Amino acid sequence: AQKITQTQPGMFVQEKEAVTLDCTYDTSDQSYGLFWYKQPSSGEMIFLIYQGSYDEQNATEGRYSLNFQKARKSANLVISASQLGDSAMYFCAMREGSDSGGSNYKLTFGKGTLLTVNP
Amino acid sequence: GAVVSQHPSRVICKSGTSVKIECRSLDFQATTMFWYRQFPKQSLMLMATSNEGSKATYEQGVEKDKFLINHASLTLSTLTVTSAHPEDSSFYICSARDTTWWNSNQPQHFGDGTRLSIL
Repeated sequence: AQKITQTQPGMFVQEKEAVTLDCTYDTSDQSYGLFWYKQPSSGEMIFLIYQGSYDEQNATEGRYSLNFQKARKSANLVISASQLGDSAMYFCAMREGSDSGGSNYKLTFGKGTLLTVNP
Repeated sequence: GAVVSQHPSRVICKSGTSVKIECRSLDFQATTMFWYRQFPKQSLMLMATSNEGSKATYEQGVEKDKFLINHASLTLSTLTVTSAHPEDSSFYICSARDTTWWNSNQPQHFGDGTRLSIL
């Protein structure tokens, strides 16, 4: 079974509108972390936002917010006021287990969602 | 902020050649680095965890003798693709985390990746 599921291969949004990218996860660990990364066509991976399993409030970073619904095991990324530069591949990733050492920090990535922002 | 440098950014070489890719953490120490492989339009797949001063930990299905990893210092890990063949052509990307901060909020920082093309 996939640990990270991103059901939207592609999404389109009009400039200045908000968009939600879906991510569901599967883990039996109580302690875990969820990350979103952006990958432009040039290939680099850009960290956007993090949500810890024990965090009670949804994470926010500028125009990015994470809609964390623990019971449903979902961690959707919301991008507000979309910009043309937001067009990229977006990956949801999970770190399982507590952060007790480097080897426990490996990430499992979803298949990604290609976001296209239209002018 | 934390920066990871990866070199070279692009390699084109003949079949049978060995190719070395370097991953450096520029402003922090990383006892652990990670090597990923990404095929076009697909997700990142973890190949191995590189541990400073010890052997790398390889994911299931990754050939240890094919993909040699050396982590000789706290700021440098190298991946050598030995006797490369066309099927090894892919995008290879490394990541590292600042392990001086024992805080699971710290994300992995990625290099810009290496596009390897074997003719």
